[in-house]
Amino acid sequence: DGGITQSPKYLFRKEGQNVTLSCEQNLNHDAMYWYRQDPGQGLRLIYYSQIVNDFQKGDIAEGYSVSREKKESFPLTVTSAQKNPTAFYLCASSQIGNTEAFFGQGTRLTVV
Amino acid sequence: KQEVTQIPAALSVPEGENLVLNCSFTDSAIYNLQWFRQDPGKGLTSLLLIQSSQREQTSGRLNASLDKSSGRSTLYIAASQPGDSATYLCAPSGANNLFFGTGTRLTVIP
Repeated sequence: DGGITQSPKYLFRKEGQNVTLSCEQNLNHDAMYWYRQDPGQGLRLIYYSQIVNDFQKGDIAEGYSVSREKKESFPLTVTSAQKNPTAFYLCASSQIGNTEAFFGQGTRLTVV
Repeated sequence: KQEVTQIPAALSVPEGENLVLNCSFTDSAIYNLQWFRQDPGKGLTSLLLIQSSQREQTSGRLNASLDKSSGRSTLYIAASQPGDSATYLCAPSGANNLFFGTGTRLTVIP
């Protein structure tokens, strides 16, 4: 099946830990995105990448890091510097230009 | 910065009713606008994409319109079904981003 796969579905982080969320797509899309969703708020952009080995900060990049070593993969690391990491994280991809964006099923991260 | 507002925040209708969801945005310089549905605890499913040069787009029982100059889009759902129950999100796009409001939570009562 073509699509975007996020793993794990649920993730628990202890205080001070870094954790990495996986996002893989087989749609041959150039652009990939990470969003954060909190209750009562719209999705907010964390990072995006339009090409391998290049990525840009979004609106709320502080405390997060990403890499884009392969076209298919765009992992997100939530570092210990992110003070309020509990949220629902969504990965998306699209072709460059005015094209449709597709989303994965999300990872729910909880700090314990 | 683009601000997106969706009205109403929640809507409950009996099965079979036609309904309209409203979306407004503050910056008319958009590339396109997408409508998504989100089921509880799940990701977003794309419903319709309207390019900035288009006025409307249809898929099955769904019809979305776009008035870019006034910063408005509507999603029309015909003959609603209980399976339509979900949160509906509109997302106008900039060069590198989609902008989201908080959505309309729809409940269709059997």
